[in-house]
Amino acid sequence: QQQVKQSPQSLIVQKGGISIINCAYENTAFDYFPWYQQFPGKGPALLIAIRPDVSEKKEGRFTISFNKSAKQFSLHIMDSQPGDSATYFCATPWGGFKTIFGAGTRLFVKA
Amino acid sequence: NAGVTQTPKFRVLKTGQSMTLLCAQDMNHEYMYWYRQDPGMGLRLIHYSVGEGTTAKGEVPDGYNVSRLKKQNFLLGLESAAPSQTSVYFCASSRGTSGNNEQFFGPGTRLTVL
Repeated sequence: QQQVKQSPQSLIVQKGGISIINCAYENTAFDYFPWYQQFPGKGPALLIAIRPDVSEKKEGRFTISFNKSAKQFSLHIMDSQPGDSATYFCATPWGGFKTIFGAGTRLFVKA
Repeated sequence: NAGVTQTPKFRVLKTGQSMTLLCAQDMNHEYMYWYRQDPGMGLRLIHYSVGEGTTAKGEVPDGYNVSRLKKQNFLLGLESAAPSQTSVYFCASSRGTSGNNEQFFGPGTRLTVL
């Protein structure tokens, strides 16, 4: 079974700083690597995703960096804001119809 | 559009009781999923469905049953609840296979089994 190892488990960043969350995955035949954001009391929602025909994708302050040879991808949040405080999950495809999620990273941005 | 809705939002059960969680989506998605979320363990797939009338087991299916009688609804049943089933349950749907498509999640059901 596919496994996804996400780190760190929790992260505290000063307002304006850079938040970095990493994920490592095992073999996959699919090319879609999403990050989901979850606020307390809410369901996860897609934040940004990459298809690894490119090594990087940027949407506003959020960037995914993808290293296919190392089987790793990371989420960078530039100019982190208190409103970014949430739990972030990376994910990879598994078995055709399913998705395996990382254990999550709880981010707290200090004002 | 309401997206994905879940009923109920909260529930407390005694060990051995049964209940059904209802998930509904209005996006005409083929694929639907039930996950449970526990601290430090992310989201784990319980069961999923690739279309009306079909269901399949995920990572942690024991103690749960599901039905997809209508395309827009996906029901999760607990026949005899156990304390180990205390968790937050999320339903999700996707247009295509979740391996390559965005999943849309409901707001969750917080279940406590005493």
